[in-house]
Amino acid sequence: DVKVTQSSRYLVKRTGEKVFLECVQDMDHENMFWYRQDPGLGLRLIYFSYDVKMKEKGDIPEGYSVSREKKERFSLILESASTNQTSMYLCASSLLFRNSYEQYFGPGTRLTVT
Amino acid sequence: AQSVTQLGSHVSVSEGALVLLRCNYSSSVPPYLFWYVQYPNQGLQLLLKYTTGATLVKGINGFEAEFKKSETSFHLTKPSAHMSDAAEYFCAVRKNYGQNFVFGPGTRLSVLP
Repeated sequence: DVKVTQSSRYLVKRTGEKVFLECVQDMDHENMFWYRQDPGLGLRLIYFSYDVKMKEKGDIPEGYSVSREKKERFSLILESASTNQTSMYLCASSLLFRNSYEQYFGPGTRLTVT
Repeated sequence: AQSVTQLGSHVSVSEGALVLLRCNYSSSVPPYLFWYVQYPNQGLQLLLKYTTGATLVKGINGFEAEFKKSETSFHLTKPSAHMSDAAEYFCAVRKNYGQNFVFGPGTRLSVLP
């Protein structure tokens, strides 16, 4: 079974803090993704990466950055957290060259910024 | 550009009744379509997918969906709802020819005893 793990299930941070969300997958997947999930909006892609040190902006990259130094690990960074970044953050991974494009998701991190 | 609409943010059915969750999409390329389920406090789990071939797709837990190109729809059905089906369901379409998806807003399914 593919396993995608996220470092925290719940996180509370103060406005202006730098926040790191970590994601690790154990199936040697090339692609990794960070989404935020908000009620009524579904999942929106923040960033994705198709290889080590490679990254591409998604639909809502503003206020976020990412790091992928190893194939299995993809980090989401909030440089200066703001209250409008309070959300559920989901990490996912997938194989690069497969027709199905199936993404495997972690359990999510619920971030509250106060 | 691709987009996904899901009619009904909340659907309630009685246990044993038919489940029908609606998904319509727009896509400028041949669509790859997905249904994911999210149980409370969990990540998303793939229910089923359509890429090519047979338009009626069977998934896990007794769910199935039919791709109808003329209607740009990919509705999810299950003949008989179970209490354990209570969850949020997301429809998604592949974005262009790339690796990304566009997700719909989700439909929360409640199953009444």
